[in-house]
Amino acid sequence: NAGVTQTPKFRVLKTGQSMTLLCAQDMNHEYMYWYRQDPGMGLRLIHYSVGEGTTAKGEVPDGYNVSRLKKQNFLLGLESAAPSQTSVYFCASSYSELSDTQYFGPGTRLTVL
Amino acid sequence: AQKVTQAQTEISVVEKEDVTLDCVYETRDTTYYLFWYKQPPSGELVFLIRRNSFDEQNEISGRYSWNFQKSTSSFNFTITASQVVDSAVYFCALRGIIQGAQKLVFGQGTRLTINP
Repeated sequence: NAGVTQTPKFRVLKTGQSMTLLCAQDMNHEYMYWYRQDPGMGLRLIHYSVGEGTTAKGEVPDGYNVSRLKKQNFLLGLESAAPSQTSVYFCASSYSELSDTQYFGPGTRLTVL
Repeated sequence: AQKVTQAQTEISVVEKEDVTLDCVYETRDTTYYLFWYKQPPSGELVFLIRRNSFDEQNEISGRYSWNFQKSTSSFNFTITASQVVDSAVYFCALRGIIQGAQKLVFGQGTRLTINP
Protein backbone atom coordinates (compact mmCIF):
# COMPACT_ATOMS: atom_id res chain seq x y z
CA ASN A 1 0.00 0.00 0.00
CA ALA A 2 1.23 3.46 -0.86
CA GLY A 3 -0.90 4.99 1.91
CA VAL A 4 -1.58 8.67 1.29
CA THR A 5 0.21 10.33 -1.60
CA GLN A 6 0.28 13.96 -2.67
CA THR A 7 1.25 15.63 -5.92
CA PRO A 8 3.13 17.79 -6.52
CA LYS A 9 5.75 17.87 -3.77
CA PHE A 10 6.82 21.42 -4.50
CA ARG A 11 5.29 24.28 -6.44
CA VAL A 12 5.99 27.96 -6.97
CA LEU A 13 3.16 30.20 -8.16
CA LYS A 14 2.82 33.84 -8.98
CA THR A 15 0.08 35.86 -7.31
CA GLY A 16 -3.19 35.34 -9.12
CA GLN A 17 -2.31 31.98 -10.67
CA SER A 18 -4.39 28.92 -10.01
CA MET A 19 -3.45 25.36 -9.22
CA THR A 20 -4.80 22.07 -7.93
CA LEU A 21 -3.20 19.81 -5.35
CA LEU A 22 -4.04 16.13 -5.62
CA CYS A 23 -4.34 13.74 -2.72
CA ALA A 24 -4.83 10.01 -3.22
CA GLN A 25 -5.28 7.21 -0.71
CA ASP A 26 -5.44 3.47 -1.25
CA MET A 27 -6.74 2.45 2.18
CA ASN A 28 -10.44 2.69 1.31
CA HIS A 29 -10.87 5.46 3.87
CA GLU A 30 -14.13 7.37 3.97
CA TYR A 31 -12.77 10.56 5.48
CA MET A 32 -10.22 12.85 3.91
CA TYR A 33 -8.78 16.17 5.07
CA TRP A 34 -6.66 19.06 3.86
CA TYR A 35 -4.47 20.96 6.34
CA ARG A 36 -2.00 23.76 6.05
CA GLN A 37 1.06 24.04 8.25
CA ASP A 38 2.56 27.42 9.03
CA PRO A 39 5.50 28.16 11.35
CA GLY A 40 4.46 28.35 15.00
CA MET A 41 0.82 27.53 14.26
CA GLY A 42 0.70 23.77 14.01
CA LEU A 43 -1.69 22.36 11.43
CA ARG A 44 -5.01 23.97 10.62
CA LEU A 45 -7.88 22.28 8.85
CA ILE A 46 -8.87 23.83 5.52
CA HIS A 47 -11.60 21.51 4.20
CA TYR A 48 -12.61 17.94 4.76
CA SER A 49 -14.78 15.25 3.22
CA VAL A 50 -16.84 12.57 4.94
CA GLY A 51 -17.36 10.56 1.79
CA GLU A 52 -17.43 10.56 -1.98
CA GLY A 53 -19.27 13.59 -3.33
CA THR A 54 -19.30 15.47 0.00
CA THR A 55 -17.11 18.30 1.27
CA ALA A 56 -17.23 20.69 4.20
CA LYS A 57 -15.35 23.72 5.50
CA GLY A 58 -12.77 23.53 8.25
CA GLU A 59 -11.09 26.31 10.23
CA VAL A 60 -9.47 28.25 7.38
CA PRO A 61 -11.42 27.58 4.15
CA ASP A 62 -11.25 31.01 2.52
CA GLY A 63 -9.41 31.09 -0.80
CA TYR A 64 -9.64 27.32 -1.30
CA ASN A 65 -12.05 24.93 -2.96
CA VAL A 66 -12.15 21.14 -2.83
CA SER A 67 -13.74 18.25 -4.66
CA ARG A 68 -14.16 14.55 -3.90
CA LEU A 69 -15.43 13.00 -7.11
CA LYS A 70 -13.87 9.64 -6.32
CA LYS A 71 -13.53 8.04 -2.90
CA GLN A 72 -9.78 7.69 -3.20
CA ASN A 73 -9.05 11.25 -4.36
CA PHE A 74 -9.41 14.62 -2.67
CA LEU A 75 -8.45 17.73 -4.65
CA LEU A 76 -7.56 21.12 -3.20
CA GLY A 77 -7.82 24.10 -5.53
CA LEU A 78 -6.50 27.62 -5.32
CA GLU A 79 -8.35 29.78 -7.85
CA SER A 80 -6.28 32.93 -7.42
CA ALA A 81 -3.18 32.34 -5.31
CA ALA A 82 -2.06 34.91 -2.76
CA PRO A 83 1.26 35.20 -0.87
CA SER A 84 -0.66 34.41 2.35
CA GLN A 85 -1.24 30.94 0.94
CA THR A 86 2.46 30.15 1.02
CA SER A 87 2.52 27.12 3.27
CA VAL A 88 3.04 23.39 3.49
CA TYR A 89 -0.15 21.51 2.68
CA PHE A 90 -0.92 18.11 4.12
CA CYS A 91 -3.60 15.71 3.13
CA ALA A 92 -4.85 13.06 5.56
CA SER A 93 -7.37 10.27 5.60
CA SER A 94 -9.11 8.12 8.17
CA TYR A 95 -11.45 5.15 8.07
CA SER A 96 -14.00 6.74 10.36
CA GLU A 97 -14.31 10.02 12.13
CA LEU A 98 -14.81 9.90 15.85
CA SER A 99 -11.77 8.15 17.20
CA ASP A 100 -9.90 6.97 14.22
CA THR A 101 -6.31 7.85 13.53
CA GLN A 102 -5.62 10.14 10.63
CA TYR A 103 -2.82 9.11 8.29
CA PHE A 104 -0.95 11.86 6.54
CA GLY A 105 0.61 12.33 3.15
CA PRO A 106 4.17 13.64 2.72
CA GLY A 107 3.08 17.24 2.16
CA THR A 108 3.27 19.82 -0.63
CA ARG A 109 5.40 22.91 -0.19
CA LEU A 110 3.76 25.82 -1.99
CA THR A 111 5.32 29.22 -2.45
CA VAL A 112 3.30 32.12 -3.83
CA LEU A 113 5.38 35.06 -5.03
CA ALA B 1 -13.58 25.89 22.58
CA GLN B 2 -11.08 23.16 21.85
CA LYS B 3 -7.46 24.07 22.31
CA VAL B 4 -4.09 22.37 22.61
CA THR B 5 -1.09 24.15 24.09
CA GLN B 6 2.48 22.99 23.74
CA ALA B 7 4.31 25.62 25.73
CA GLN B 8 7.79 24.37 24.82
CA THR B 9 8.63 25.74 21.39
CA GLU B 10 12.09 24.20 21.25
CA ILE B 11 14.01 21.75 23.39
CA SER B 12 17.63 20.74 22.96
CA VAL B 13 19.27 17.92 24.91
CA VAL B 14 22.31 15.73 24.67
CA GLU B 15 21.93 12.18 23.48
CA LYS B 16 20.94 9.64 26.16
CA GLU B 17 19.21 12.24 28.29
CA ASP B 18 15.53 11.81 29.11
CA VAL B 19 13.20 14.50 27.84
CA THR B 20 9.54 15.29 28.44
CA LEU B 21 7.32 17.18 26.01
CA ASP B 22 4.34 18.89 27.60
CA CYS B 23 0.83 19.02 26.21
CA VAL B 24 -2.11 20.76 27.87
CA TYR B 25 -5.55 20.66 26.34
CA GLU B 26 -8.94 22.33 26.79
CA THR B 27 -12.24 20.75 25.95
CA ARG B 28 -15.78 20.63 27.26
CA ASP B 29 -16.43 17.22 25.74
CA THR B 30 -16.68 14.27 28.11
CA THR B 31 -15.52 11.92 25.38
CA TYR B 32 -12.45 12.94 23.49
CA TYR B 33 -9.26 11.58 22.02
CA LEU B 34 -5.69 12.76 22.25
CA PHE B 35 -2.91 12.05 19.80
CA TRP B 36 0.81 12.55 19.40
CA TYR B 37 2.42 12.87 15.98
CA LYS B 38 6.09 13.07 15.03
CA GLN B 39 7.34 15.18 12.12
CA PRO B 40 10.97 14.30 11.32
CA PRO B 41 13.14 16.57 9.14
CA SER B 42 11.87 14.75 6.05
CA GLY B 43 8.51 16.42 6.68
CA GLU B 44 5.95 13.65 6.89
CA LEU B 45 3.69 13.27 9.91
CA VAL B 46 3.99 9.98 11.73
CA PHE B 47 1.31 8.78 14.11
CA LEU B 48 2.66 7.79 17.55
CA ILE B 49 -0.26 7.23 19.88
CA ARG B 50 -4.00 7.69 20.43
CA ARG B 51 -5.60 7.87 23.86
CA ASN B 52 -9.29 8.18 24.73
CA SER B 53 -10.58 10.19 27.66
CA PHE B 54 -11.78 7.14 29.57
CA ASP B 55 -8.42 5.48 29.70
CA GLU B 56 -5.98 7.19 32.03
CA GLN B 57 -3.51 4.36 32.09
CA ASN B 58 -0.04 5.44 31.19
CA GLU B 59 1.43 3.80 28.14
CA ILE B 60 4.95 2.72 27.37
CA SER B 61 6.29 1.77 23.98
CA GLY B 62 9.99 1.08 24.01
CA ARG B 63 11.74 4.33 24.92
CA TYR B 64 8.50 6.30 24.58
CA SER B 65 5.98 6.79 27.35
CA TRP B 66 2.89 8.90 27.77
CA ASN B 67 1.36 10.29 30.95
CA PHE B 68 -2.32 11.20 30.67
CA GLN B 69 -3.80 13.13 33.60
CA LYS B 70 -7.37 14.35 33.28
CA SER B 71 -7.11 16.28 36.54
CA THR B 72 -4.58 18.63 34.99
CA SER B 73 -5.76 18.23 31.37
CA SER B 74 -2.32 17.10 30.34
CA PHE B 75 -0.98 14.43 28.03
CA ASN B 76 2.79 14.53 28.33
CA PHE B 77 5.27 12.56 26.27
CA THR B 78 8.60 11.31 27.59
CA ILE B 79 11.49 9.93 25.60
CA THR B 80 13.94 7.93 27.68
CA ALA B 81 17.60 7.65 26.68
CA SER B 82 17.08 9.97 23.72
CA GLN B 83 18.78 9.34 20.40
CA VAL B 84 19.71 11.60 17.52
CA VAL B 85 16.96 9.96 15.41
CA ASP B 86 14.40 11.33 17.86
CA SER B 87 15.11 14.83 16.57
CA ALA B 88 11.85 16.06 15.10
CA VAL B 89 8.90 18.34 15.68
CA TYR B 90 6.30 16.67 17.88
CA PHE B 91 2.65 17.62 17.76
CA CYS B 92 -0.01 16.93 20.31
CA ALA B 93 -3.58 16.91 18.97
CA LEU B 94 -7.10 16.74 20.36
CA ARG B 95 -10.15 15.40 18.61
CA GLY B 96 -12.36 18.47 18.98
CA ILE B 97 -15.34 20.19 17.47
CA ILE B 98 -14.79 22.63 14.62
CA GLN B 99 -17.75 23.96 12.71
CA GLY B 100 -19.99 21.50 14.56
CA ALA B 101 -18.06 18.40 13.55
CA GLN B 102 -15.36 16.34 15.23
CA LYS B 103 -11.94 17.28 13.88
CA LEU B 104 -8.32 17.24 14.97
CA VAL B 105 -7.01 20.34 16.70
CA PHE B 106 -3.22 20.55 16.77
CA GLY B 107 -0.88 22.23 19.20
CA GLN B 108 1.84 24.48 17.87
CA GLY B 109 4.45 21.75 18.06
CA THR B 110 7.70 21.30 19.99
CA ARG B 111 10.94 21.14 18.05
CA LEU B 112 13.19 18.58 19.74
CA THR B 113 16.88 18.48 18.92
CA ILE B 114 19.03 15.65 20.22
CA ASN B 115 22.71 16.50 20.05
CA PRO B 116 25.34 13.76 19.81
